[in-house]
Amino acid sequence: DQQVKQNSPSLSVQEGRISILNCDYTNSMFDYFLWYKKYPAEGPTFLISISSIKDKNEDGRFTVFLNKSAKHLSLHIVPSQPGDSAVYFCAAMPSSGTYKYIFGTGTRLKVLA
Amino acid sequence: DAGVTQSPTHLIKTRGQQVTLRCSPISGHKSVSWYQQVLGQGPQFIFQYYEKEERGRGNFPDRFSARQFPNYSSELNVNALLLGDSALYLCASSSDSLTGELFFGEGSRLTVL
Repeated sequence: DQQVKQNSPSLSVQEGRISILNCDYTNSMFDYFLWYKKYPAEGPTFLISISSIKDKNEDGRFTVFLNKSAKHLSLHIVPSQPGDSAVYFCAAMPSSGTYKYIFGTGTRLKVLA
Repeated sequence: DAGVTQSPTHLIKTRGQQVTLRCSPISGHKSVSWYQQVLGQGPQFIFQYYEKEERGRGNFPDRFSARQFPNYSSELNVNALLLGDSALYLCASSSDSLTGELFFGEGSRLTVL
C-alpha cells in the first residue's frame, strides 16, 4: 500500500521555466513533509520541508505547497537550472516520534539547457 | 565537517551469506536511521536508533538487525541473504529534534548473487 505517491516518474522542463513536482498522500496522520533531491551515486539531499500547520514554505528558488484537504503537496522550482536535474523524492512523517519517513517513488527531473 | 560516512560502498554476496554495513553519523548527531532503496523505488525505512536504543522498526523480517554504539555509529546486519535484498542501503543521521531533516550518506550498494 503506497501511502506516498509521486505519479509522474519523469518531467522535462526548459531552463529558466518553472518545474512543478507533485506528491499525493493517503494518511491524514502525516504531520511533516520533506523534499529530497538525489543525484546518481549520492545519497538523498534535503531540500525543503513543511509542517502540517502551514500551507506554504519558501527557500530561495524552492517553494513547497501543502493542501491538506486534498492530501497533496507540490514543489515549485523557479527558475529551473540544469543543475536541478536529479531525482526528487517527497517524504512524509507521521506524528509518531520516530524518523520513520515514508518516501514516494521519485520523479526524475531533467532541465534542458 | 564530515558528513555521514558509510562502508563498504559496494559489496557482492551470495545467497545465504551474512552482511554487516557500517555507518558513522555527523558529529553531534545522536540518531541514526537505516533505509533500503530498491531500484526504481523510494527509500524504505528499516530502523531508527537514538541514544543506542531502537526507536522504530519498519516492515522488514527478523533477518535484519541493527545496533548503535556509544559513539553513535551504527551497524546494520542482514542474515541469510536473499536475491531480493539487493539494494542501496542508506544510513541517515539527525540531531536531537524529532522532526527535521535527515542527513544521508552515499549508501552501500549490496548485490546478492
